[in-house]
Amino acid sequence: GAVVSQHPSWVICKSGTSVKIECRSLDFQATTMFWYRQFPKQSLMLMATSNEGSKATYEQGVEKDKFLINHASLTLSTLTVTSAHPEDSSFYICSAAGNVGDRDPYEQYFGPGTRLTVT
Amino acid sequence: AQKVTQAQTEISVVEKEDVTLDCVYETRDTTYYLFWYKQPPSGELVFLIRRNSFDEQNEISGRYSWNFQKSTSSFNFTITASQVVDSAVYFCALFEGSNYKLTFGKGTLLTVNP
Repeated sequence: GAVVSQHPSWVICKSGTSVKIECRSLDFQATTMFWYRQFPKQSLMLMATSNEGSKATYEQGVEKDKFLINHASLTLSTLTVTSAHPEDSSFYICSAAGNVGDRDPYEQYFGPGTRLTVT
Repeated sequence: AQKVTQAQTEISVVEKEDVTLDCVYETRDTTYYLFWYKQPPSGELVFLIRRNSFDEQNEISGRYSWNFQKSTSSFNFTITASQVVDSAVYFCALFEGSNYKLTFGKGTLLTVNP
């Protein structure tokens, strides 16, 4: 299957600072990347969908100015949590989907997740 | 209404018991896909199975089996002869082509005790 990496795997930051999380598709070109957030003992909730070269589409209730998403290439998307606060502490998971070669275009391949703790 | 309902929040069994995790979904799409994922304590999602709406054939993979019934909008997952390593949170998810989104159920925490 396809491999998706995330970096960092965990990060601790102080309240008010910004944190950038990277999501990379290592062996295929991802035309679409998704960002999910998972609070403890809860399900994954879609935050936004990003297509390469265009602006991300955010789900209702997700602040686009706080969660900046950039999908500048077919292998990299970044999520920047700006002015992070303790309530932003969560597990952030990205996924990638492609329409290249024999990849099923709807199939999402998940990264290992990034655990963010804001103190 | 929830699109994906996993009514069992937590299940606890003793090793070697069989256990079934329920999943009921709701969609107006005629073409859709259903998934099961396993999330161990490490957090990384592990893909288990994908089923499209036109394929109601049940599937067996080792100790795992899945029962897809469109008539009841259910996609249940059974683990036979459970093992301690099966302990994890299991998510059922629905992909709808109409909005290109994957919606997860709330998950079922399975604990298999030795």
